[in-house]
Amino acid sequence: QKEVEQDPGPLSVPEGAIVSLNCTYSNSAFQYFMWYRQYSRKGPELLMYTYSSGNKEDGRFTAQVDKSSKYISLFIRDSQPSDSATYLCAMGTAAGNKLTFGGGTRVLVKP
Amino acid sequence: DSGVTQTPKHLITATGQRVTLRCSPRSGDLSVYWYQQSLDQGLQFLIQYYNGEERAKGNILERFSAQQFPDLHSELNLSSLELGDSALYFCASSFAGTGANTIYFGEGSWLTVV
Repeated sequence: QKEVEQDPGPLSVPEGAIVSLNCTYSNSAFQYFMWYRQYSRKGPELLMYTYSSGNKEDGRFTAQVDKSSKYISLFIRDSQPSDSATYLCAMGTAAGNKLTFGGGTRVLVKP
Repeated sequence: DSGVTQTPKHLITATGQRVTLRCSPRSGDLSVYWYQQSLDQGLQFLIQYYNGEERAKGNILERFSAQQFPDLHSELNLSSLELGDSALYFCASSFAGTGANTIYFGEGSWLTVV
């Protein structure tokens, strides 16, 4: 079983809809959580960073962390065709050196 | 633009050969990470250097090695290449070496082994 599980999709939504993405994890030592967006064959781009449990909002993006359930989410409001990409969750420990990534969810926003 | 620079962007080489990938971290960042991304394995952590010293090692093959130089740029050396080594290789950087710090990725080096 992988440390971080993420549905590969693809997740297809109409323009303007809310995109809902999530990851589950098994390592209770994870304390900081990130979401990256990756366009095809490009480098992952950091979208959201959250430390410990709670919510964080940045423009159209909202990240949620529920450490008790070992579950994190990313919501994209008013989705645009330019949001079509693969979204990767990543997490790390406070004393650790590396990020552990989910496999990514491919999102398609149709005009 | 993340500020992390990787060269070359693409390269094609034959099995058994050796290649070197180069990375310049963001200005001020001391830590460099190397990741491999293939279709079936996702993003896999290879190795991390912090201020010139190896800090953490992941699933890096013995045929692969890396180093970080005094000017903080890093090189990943891949030798005795096999077809299965074809992948995107990403470099990332951060200011700190451990803990809750944000990591920024370069655009990657696309390696094709034929």
